Amino acid sequence: GQQVMQIPQYQHVQEGEDFTTYCNSSTTLSNIQWYKQRPGGHPVFLIQLVKSGEVKKQKRLTFQFGEAKKNSSLHITATQTTDVGTYFCAGSSGNTPLVFGKGTRLSVIA
Amino acid sequence: DARVTQTPRHKVTEMGQEVTMRCQPILGHNTVFWYRQTMMQGLELLAYFRNRAPLDDSGMPKDRFSAEMPDATLATLKIQPSEPRDSAVYFCASGLLGIDQPQHFGDGTRLSIL
Repeated sequence: GQQVMQIPQYQHVQEGEDFTTYCNSSTTLSNIQWYKQRPGGHPVFLIQLVKSGEVKKQKRLTFQFGEAKKNSSLHITATQTTDVGTYFCAGSSGNTPLVFGKGTRLSVIA
Repeated sequence: DARVTQTPRHKVTEMGQEVTMRCQPILGHNTVFWYRQTMMQGLELLAYFRNRAPLDDSGMPKDRFSAEMPDATLATLKIQPSEPRDSAVYFCASGLLGIDQPQHFGDGTRLSIL
């Protein structure tokens, strides 16, 4: 079945440093989504990408969808303590339920 | 803000007991999902519904787990009998457009089976 791999599993950064998490799918995706889960909280939808090579920005967050629609990345510029949490990618091959990656847990040291 | 409501937020019980978790999806959402989250396995999809009809429950142990949607405002996940390995956070999520579209998650039920 479809698998979604995320790296790294953990990332510790100093406040102000950049952060990137990568997502790779075993199959071509129709869309990929990113979610953020704060410690003790629930996953919250951030964004959806559907087009090959698509790039979207939300303030300091930049999301990319690969040309082959099998990989994606989330980049945070100048991290802040409010960015702490686990970032999940989730992909679908089309009319199938989302498959979530294991997530990247981000810690930000002030 | 519309939100998915889950009850109870926390549940501690002894093994062998029945556990029922409830979810009220966002009004108007036609897809409902049940997930289990553990440190080891991450987010696992247990079952999902569209327009109250169960589409797939292959992600959950059939002998002890059951998921139903008696009406559009209520989804339930039952475990009977419960086992210590069922300890996890169970999330319900709902969506508007389709099973591969963005989902809104509830706060979860943190379940501990002793």
